[in-house]
Amino acid sequence: QKEVEQDPGPLSVPEGAIVSLNCTYSNSAFQYFMWYRQYSRKGPELLMYTYSSGNKEDGRFTAQVDKSSKYISLFIRDSQPSDSATYLCAMSPNTGFQKLVFGTGTRLLVSP
Amino acid sequence: GAVVSQHPSRVICKSGTSVKIECRSLDFQATTMFWYRQFPKQSLMLMATSNEGSKATYEQGVEKDKFLINHASLTLSTLTVTSAHPEDSSFYICSASDRGNNSPLHFGNGTRLTVT
Repeated sequence: QKEVEQDPGPLSVPEGAIVSLNCTYSNSAFQYFMWYRQYSRKGPELLMYTYSSGNKEDGRFTAQVDKSSKYISLFIRDSQPSDSATYLCAMSPNTGFQKLVFGTGTRLLVSP
Repeated sequence: GAVVSQHPSRVICKSGTSVKIECRSLDFQATTMFWYRQFPKQSLMLMATSNEGSKATYEQGVEKDKFLINHASLTLSTLTVTSAHPEDSSFYICSASDRGNNSPLHFGNGTRLTVT
């Protein structure tokens, strides 16, 4: 069993839709949770990060962490074609943001 | 914001040759940099931690004699894939943090290595 599970997709939605991206994990030591966006042939770009449980909002993006269920989510409101990319969840234990364990990424396609 | 630059973006080499990949932190100093590898449809996997002025720390299953890491300055780490084989073909990405362990990593744009 992988430490971090993420549906690879693709997830296809129309422009303006609310997108929900999710990851589950098995290691209860994970404390730092991140979402990265990766365009084709580019490195991952940090979108949001949270520590421990709770919600965090930044513009159209909301990250949620439910440690009791070992489940994290990223919501994108009013999705745009420019949001089409692969979204990677990443997490690390209480040693900080380094030594990340990644999900495989979910490919999102937002059609105009 | 913090920028990590990686070079080259793409390289094709013949089996048995060595390839060097550079990773630079452009607007900050990084005592630690991280090298990841990403095979198609798989997760980014941490290969090694590069420490300025000391030996790199390799993850389990990564051959240190094959993947040579040098972190000679606070802004530059290099990864050399020695005696490359087709199974080494992958996407290699470096990363660093501008505030040590207390801030998330910033990634370079990666190097697509193809070994023929």
